[in-house]
Amino acid sequence: DAGVTQSPTHLIKTRGQQVTLRCSPKSGHDTVSWYQQALGQGPQFIFQYYEEEERQRGNFPDRFSGHQFPNYSSELNVNALLLGDSALYLCASSLRGRGVHEQYFGPGTRLTVT
Amino acid sequence: EDKVVQSPLSLVVHEGDTVTLNCSYEVTNFRSLLWYKQEKKAPTFLFMLTSSGIEKKSGRLSSILDKKELFSILNITATQTGDSAVYLCAGSGNTGKLIFGQGTTLQVKP
Repeated sequence: DAGVTQSPTHLIKTRGQQVTLRCSPKSGHDTVSWYQQALGQGPQFIFQYYEEEERQRGNFPDRFSGHQFPNYSSELNVNALLLGDSALYLCASSLRGRGVHEQYFGPGTRLTVT
Repeated sequence: EDKVVQSPLSLVVHEGDTVTLNCSYEVTNFRSLLWYKQEKKAPTFLFMLTSSGIEKKSGRLSSILDKKELFSILNITATQTGDSAVYLCAGSGNTGKLIFGQGTTLQVKP
């Protein structure tokens, strides 16, 4: 049973550039949530997708956007990158029918902005 | 504003010791409390607690929730070096968004 997968593993970008991160949920899951984890901190909720729509959003600017595809996979896009966007980006999947609370995380994408 | 606070922030113990990690929460329309173990990257799911006073156990790990006092504890007995990790606690309201604490870094020395 495949778990949550994310790509790429690492990414280095320059300030002002744009980045796209990808996530495939655990088999059978239909909801994807994205989190940003700065060094030494707990993950912070960015947004959540279900049925190809953004359902919840945390306190992140519009530079952060996302998408969910019919196969439940998801993308996170960040425009106009800032140094402060350097972090580990985690994707979590869950099954809405069982409640979206039990979330399983992927290995993350480490983004470094220089 | 929703908030989850963990204590202590870091802990150093020796193999065989028992540790207790604390998590207090203030989450609107609270539904569940989750514990994760994070070693390198992916937080690994440990427990989800929804009912007060019912202990959940998995091997040497156990956890309990007190919805009246708004806290949870995670116990690890007979610690091993492989238990060294960051332990994250997260609260969830009725939206399913997880609000994480800052984590407790546990180091188990041989």
